[in-house]
Amino acid sequence: SQQGEEDPQALSIQEGENATMNCSYKTSINNLQWYRQNSGRGLVHLILIRSNEREKHSGRLRVTLDTSKKSSSLLITASRAADTASYFCAVVSGSARQLTFGSGTQLTVLP
Amino acid sequence: NAGVMQNPRHLVRRRGQEARLRCSPMKGHSHVYWYRQLPEEGLKFMVYLQKENIIDESGMPKERFSAEFPKEGPSILRIQQVVRGDSAAYFCASSPQDRDDTEAFFGQGTRLTVV
Repeated sequence: SQQGEEDPQALSIQEGENATMNCSYKTSINNLQWYRQNSGRGLVHLILIRSNEREKHSGRLRVTLDTSKKSSSLLITASRAADTASYFCAVVSGSARQLTFGSGTQLTVLP
Repeated sequence: NAGVMQNPRHLVRRRGQEARLRCSPMKGHSHVYWYRQLPEEGLKFMVYLQKENIIDESGMPKERFSAEFPKEGPSILRIQQVVRGDSAAYFCASSPQDRDDTEAFFGQGTRLTVV
């Protein structure tokens, strides 16, 4: 069953603005990961946050995790046109090793 | 160190034919995952393999689909008697170890079109 659900489905912003995407999931998790997919390409891992962590940073990316609300957010600061892509959250739960993906947020950064 | 290599990138098959999708994991990686992505949707897990073993095939359709990861050579996802509904992008990912907090490295995918 679908675990991660991203919100919004699509987001359009101007270059230089911040972009925030949210992800909700249903069951307890071991970790939550964010991936980026450029049109027609494979996925690129962005960041992993464990269930006992609340916030992580990587360059212009900031991820938060609220296990009580079963939600996570991805913030991209000072966006660039090259950030235009689909962003997916994915969770790993229980003894499983595979990722369960949400349906993604399509981010468009306008120059 | 080459990334995860998938081939072919594009595959066209007529209904009823067989489709074979190949995935060579990153060097040193012994864990392979196959995912399917329909247009405008996220990836859906299909199968998890280690060398010569299927670990979890809970996402595989019960019929027509099979996967293997032999001791030598790439992992193969085989779809027999393809139907139009099999048209999708199929992605392979690999990881170096059996841990739940390991980053997965994805290939560029194989886009299967059934005509």
